[in-house]
Parts: sequence; C-alpha cells; structure tokens
Amino acid sequence: GAVVSQHPSRVICKSGTSVKIECRSLDFQATTMFWYRQFPKKSLMLMATSNEGSKATYEQGVEKDKFLINHASLTLSTLTVTSAHPEDSSFYICSAIVTGGLGYTFGSGTRLTVV
Amino acid sequence: DQQVKQNSPSLSVQEGRISILNCDYTNSMFDYFLWYKKYPAEGPTFLISISSIKDKNEDGRFTVFLNKSAKHLSLHIVPSQPGDSAVYFCAASGTPGANNLFFGTGTRLTVIP
Repeated sequence: GAVVSQHPSRVICKSGTSVKIECRSLDFQATTMFWYRQFPKKSLMLMATSNEGSKATYEQGVEKDKFLINHASLTLSTLTVTSAHPEDSSFYICSAIVTGGLGYTFGSGTRLTVV
Repeated sequence: DQQVKQNSPSLSVQEGRISILNCDYTNSMFDYFLWYKKYPAEGPTFLISISSIKDKNEDGRFTVFLNKSAKHLSLHIVPSQPGDSAVYFCAASGTPGANNLFFGTGTRLTVIP
C-alpha cells in the first residue's frame, strides 16, 4: 500500500538552530503533501499544503518564514523549522493523498523538542 | 507497509441509524488507539481514544470497541447525524504521547438526511 516515510521520528535541538523534517512517498507520487502540527488535545492543526514544484500554501497564523516547506519532487517534501524556539516543540506529521481515491496516508510523525 | 488499515474508503448511512467504522492493525505492540474526524480543508480533530487495557470506551454518541486478539477496532456512532459526515481516521501508537503515530487511510462517512 501507499506509504509515506517520515524522518526523523524524534529530534532534540538547541534553541536558535534549524531542523529539517523529511517526508518521502515510497511507492507512489505525492503531488500534494499536507503538514500538520499536533496540539495538546491531540487534534492536528493543518499548517500548510505543499504542491510539487510550486510554493506551499500556508494556513492563517502559520509563519511561512519560520516553517519552510519545499516540495521539489513528486516523492519528497521537507519542512524546515528555522531558528527553533522551545514553543516550537511539538509533534509534526505529514500526509499525502493517495491517488485513485484511496484516501490519505500519513507519515509516522516527528517529535521535536527544542531546549 | 501499512500497519493500520481502514478497508472501507466510504460509508453511507441514513440519519438516525448506526454508523460503524472499522479499523485493523498489524502491530501487536500498539497500545493506544485514537479516532479522528476530518472536515474538508481542516486538520483531523481528535474524537475518542482507547487504551489496550480496555475493550470499550464511550463518549456520548461515540463508542470505540477494541478487540485485541483480532487486532481490530471499530467506532460506532449512534444515532448518526448529517453533521457527522466527514472523513474518519483511526490511529495507533505504542503508548499515549509516543513519538510515532500510525494512521489508517480514512473512511468517508456520509450521513443522509
């Protein structure tokens, strides 16, 4: 089945540094990838939608200069948290639409801790 | 490989009747299971969860059943309402708050008035 591989699963970084999270579609082409952040009540907030070869569409309130999204190929989308701060500590997860109307597939998530 | 599976991409139910959404998983180490509801253009919203020490958890019209031996869980919505029409995802993890959360591909529920 369609699988999205997300790496790293866990990262701890120092405040002020940047962290890159990768989502790779393993056996299908993901023209659209969604990036979510999980908040304490477990719901996922949509941060942005990335389309291969074009600029990402960010949701209101999400800083595009802080959360850089690159979707340079049909199988890879990256989210870079720039100049990370402790308040950026969260669980980030990507998702892609599986072609053929087969639903969504999710990465397994990245737990980011900024110290 | 997909560790959490929702084999029905869509389900239609008459208003007032019961909706049953099914989910199967393959990893016996999963210990915590969640259901999410997703409206178009929004992120999935947490609905209800269950830990592996229980076989049932109820919250209003929503009940989740867990059958560990069959590696199967289901979400029952009764009575179904038109506002329940959405995509429902099941998800599983090793422990609550664990690093990895594995999602199913979703089931689109349509409740017909």
